[in-house]
Amino acid sequence: AQSVTQLDSQVPVFEEAPVELRCNYSSSVSVYLFWYVQYPNQGLQLLLKYLSGSTLVKGINGFEAEFNKSQTSFHLRKPSVHISDTAEYFCAVSDRDDTDKLIFGTGTRLQVFP
Amino acid sequence: DAGVIQSPRHEVTEMGQEVTLRCKPISGHDYLFWYRQTMMRGLELLIYFNNNVPIDDSGMPEDRFSAKMPNASFSTLKIQPSEPRDSAVYFCASSLALANEQFFGPGTRLTVL
Repeated sequence: AQSVTQLDSQVPVFEEAPVELRCNYSSSVSVYLFWYVQYPNQGLQLLLKYLSGSTLVKGINGFEAEFNKSQTSFHLRKPSVHISDTAEYFCAVSDRDDTDKLIFGTGTRLQVFP
Repeated sequence: DAGVIQSPRHEVTEMGQEVTLRCKPISGHDYLFWYRQTMMRGLELLIYFNNNVPIDDSGMPEDRFSAKMPNASFSTLKIQPSEPRDSAVYFCASSLALANEQFFGPGTRLTVL
């Protein structure tokens, strides 16, 4: 069965610094990949998604992610973070060779300090 | 579209009481999902529906939990009787297809005293 690993439960960074949030999934031939953001007391919002095509995906708020099939990873990056990026970030994977069901990671809390 | 709508936004109840959470998915979405989020267990999928039919309820914790979807625009999650360990934020989400992006509602924060 598909699984998603977000190794970092918390990532503290200073404002304007670059950040990378890591996401790895179980090996599979065909997957859809997603990153969601959850601001305090809100639901999850889609940041970006990879379905096919270019492995570098650009999303909202200046975030981007790169699909690396050989390393089964989909890390999220931003070159310069803002205080407003403080939130919980979830990686999710849909295994097209299995149930298609979306499997969420445990989340990474990004804390941006001034 | 207004997005996924959930009500109530907050619910405080006493142990043993019945709790009903409501969800209106985005029009045209064939899939509806119920999730529970807690600090200890993170985001858990409880059940999902396709065209109003429950497909996978393996995440429902126990018989005290039940979910229905009487039509394409409405679903309920009921807990009877409620217990303090049911305290959590419950999210409803909908999507066009199972593998597609899901659109989440704002959640219902449930506190069982």
